[in-house]
Amino acid sequence: QKEVEQNSGPLSVPEGAIASLNCTYSDRVSQSFFWYRQYSGKSPELIMSIYSNGDKEDGRFTAQLNKASQYVSLLIRDSQPSDSATYLCAVKLPGGTSYGKLTFGQGTILTVHP
Amino acid sequence: GAVVSQHPSRVICKSGTSVKIECRSLDFQATTMFWYRQFPKKSLMLMATSNEGSKATYEQGVEKDKFLINHASLTLSTLTVTSAHPEDSSFYICSSRLAGAEQYFGPGTRLTVT
Repeated sequence: QKEVEQNSGPLSVPEGAIASLNCTYSDRVSQSFFWYRQYSGKSPELIMSIYSNGDKEDGRFTAQLNKASQYVSLLIRDSQPSDSATYLCAVKLPGGTSYGKLTFGQGTILTVHP
Repeated sequence: GAVVSQHPSRVICKSGTSVKIECRSLDFQATTMFWYRQFPKKSLMLMATSNEGSKATYEQGVEKDKFLINHASLTLSTLTVTSAHPEDSSFYICSSRLAGAEQYFGPGTRLTVT
């Protein structure tokens, strides 16, 4: 089983719709969770971080974390064509010895069509 | 978010030569920086964790004598690909870690070995 799993997609949604991206992780002691957006040919850009159960909203983005189910999701409201990118879920294990190392999922390709 | 730069953004070199990639943390001091490699349509693969003033910690399967990492100051880490071969052609990305777990990525360096 992969440590961090995402559906590779592609996920296609119409402009203005809600895009829902999902991620599961295998290690129950994981404490920090991140969503990165990566445009083709570019490096990842941090868009959301979440550390406790529940929802965290930032503009059109909402991250949801359920540690009991080992599940983290990203909702994008009012999706725009400019949101078309690969979304990477990343998880950090606790503990100083890991030096803040992140484990990434394989990414979900999102396409927002006009 | 933090600003991280990389230089060069793109490099072409001949097989057998060495290439140095610089990663700079522009607006904060980074005690820990990370080096990743990404092949086309694949997720990020952590190569090593770069710690200021000490030896880098390499991931399993990454040759430390081939990928030399130096983190001589709190704002600069370098990755040198020694005796490069065509299979080393990839997108190399560094990141810096702020207090906590958030990592911010540089723009990446695309290496092509001919």
